Amino acid sequence: KAGVTQTPRYLIKTRGQQVTLSCSPISGHRSVSWYQQTPGQGLQFLFEYFSETQRNKGNFPGRFSGRQFSNSRSEMNVSTLELGDSALYLCATARDLNYEQYFGPGTRLTVT
Amino acid sequence: DQQVKQNSPSLSVQEGRISILNCDYTNSMFDYFLWYKKYPAEGPTFLISISSIKDKNEDGRFTVFLNKSAKHLSLHIVPSQPGDSAVYFCAASDRGGSQGNLIFGKGTKLSVKP
Repeated sequence: KAGVTQTPRYLIKTRGQQVTLSCSPISGHRSVSWYQQTPGQGLQFLFEYFSETQRNKGNFPGRFSGRQFSNSRSEMNVSTLELGDSALYLCATARDLNYEQYFGPGTRLTVT
Repeated sequence: DQQVKQNSPSLSVQEGRISILNCDYTNSMFDYFLWYKKYPAEGPTFLISISSIKDKNEDGRFTVFLNKSAKHLSLHIVPSQPGDSAVYFCAASDRGGSQGNLIFGKGTKLSVKP
């Protein structure tokens, strides 16, 4: 079956702009989590959604937000981009809350 | 403050030998631990997990050991193969298996030489 899809795969934005990233889960998966990966901080949890509800949020500023739709697809938005937001953004989905997560290939965001 | 630490950024092993990747954690509330493997330009792939009620879990060539008193876990790969060359991440959760909020270590790059 198809894996986790993230679009776009690569993105270049300018400081101050905003960006929306998309994640389409594996069919039947209802849980979606987002992570940011940077060389200095490694993989850091952003937020988790299940049944269109945010269940948990990591330690990121309010410029980072997300949502989940009724078909389980999820988007994350970053407003007022800063240079430090340059990172690989990974989405992970799971069938349910206590099941193994499957990661997508990520969206590489570069802020100039 | 890093709650999950992988102190070796890299490890080089000969093909056929054992690879041992280590991970330490500080939060005693963690009750579920996972290892992921990541190739360049791909997302992490789940390898193996262990609940805090166990001290060992095996899956083929991969075995994870958990020492709760030392807050330490390790991943053993036997025998190591060149295809195992990747970055390995240790992760932990304090939510009894609900894996949505994982705390990751910074990874260890394993190189298996033929």
